[in-house]
Amino acid sequence: EADIYQTPRYLVIGTGKKITLECSQTMGHDKMYWYQQDPGMELHLIHYSYGVNSTEKGDLSSESTVSRIRTEHFPLTLESARPSHTSQYLCASSSESVLAWSWETQYFGPGTRLLVL
Amino acid sequence: KNQVEQSPQSLIILEGKNCTLQCNYTVSPFSNLRWYKQDTGRGPVSLTIMTFSENTKSNGRYTATLDADTKQSSLHITASQLSDSASYICVVSDRGSTLGRLYFGRGTQLTVWP
Repeated sequence: EADIYQTPRYLVIGTGKKITLECSQTMGHDKMYWYQQDPGMELHLIHYSYGVNSTEKGDLSSESTVSRIRTEHFPLTLESARPSHTSQYLCASSSESVLAWSWETQYFGPGTRLLVL
Repeated sequence: KNQVEQSPQSLIILEGKNCTLQCNYTVSPFSNLRWYKQDTGRGPVSLTIMTFSENTKSNGRYTATLDADTKQSSLHITASQLSDSASYICVVSDRGSTLGRLYFGRGTQLTVWP
C-alpha cells in the first residue's frame, strides 16, 4: 500500500465556492501528478510537478491550479467551482529514477470525489 | 492518433473461473505497457509493466501478455476471487520524448459473483 493520502475523500459544494483538494505523500517522491477521472472514462493528466517550485499543465485543460511548496504536498485549487468540475480527482507520485520518466511506477492516492451543485 | 482501447467494457464471471481482458493500442513509438487494478473508490494499483521485448509476465494469479507486432496485450486472471472485482486499466507509454507520456484505456469493469 502506497503512502499517499488525499483529503477530503468526498466533497459536495455549491457553485462559486473556492475549494482545495489536498494530496500528501510520505515516500519522498519528487514527481507528483493530478488526474481527473469521470465514471467509465480514462484518466486525464491535468497537472504535474517534477519537484519543489515546479508545476506544469497536463494534457487536459483544467481551470484548476496547483502549487508545490514542499516535496510532500501538492494541493489542487479551484477558485470558483462549477457543476462541470464534478468528477473524481486522483493524485499520484513517482520516484526519481535513472531510467526515463516513462518507466516509473506511479503510486495513486484513493481519490477525491467532487460534486458541485 | 495515439489510443488505447480495452475490451470488453464490462465482464461478469463466477468465482473460480478464469477470464481474459484485452488491450489494443496505437501508441507509437512504444516504450512500455502496464496493467493497473482499480478497486471502487480507490486509486489504481500497478499489476505489471512490460517492454516490447517481453511476451509474458506474471504476478500471482495475473498473467499479462504482449504482442508488440500486433500492438495487443491481454491480462489473464486465473481462478478468480471475489476480491478481483475491480476495473482493470491498460496504460501505454511512448518514448517520443523524455517526458514519456502515458495513454490510459477506459478500463474493463470486472465483477466476480459467488
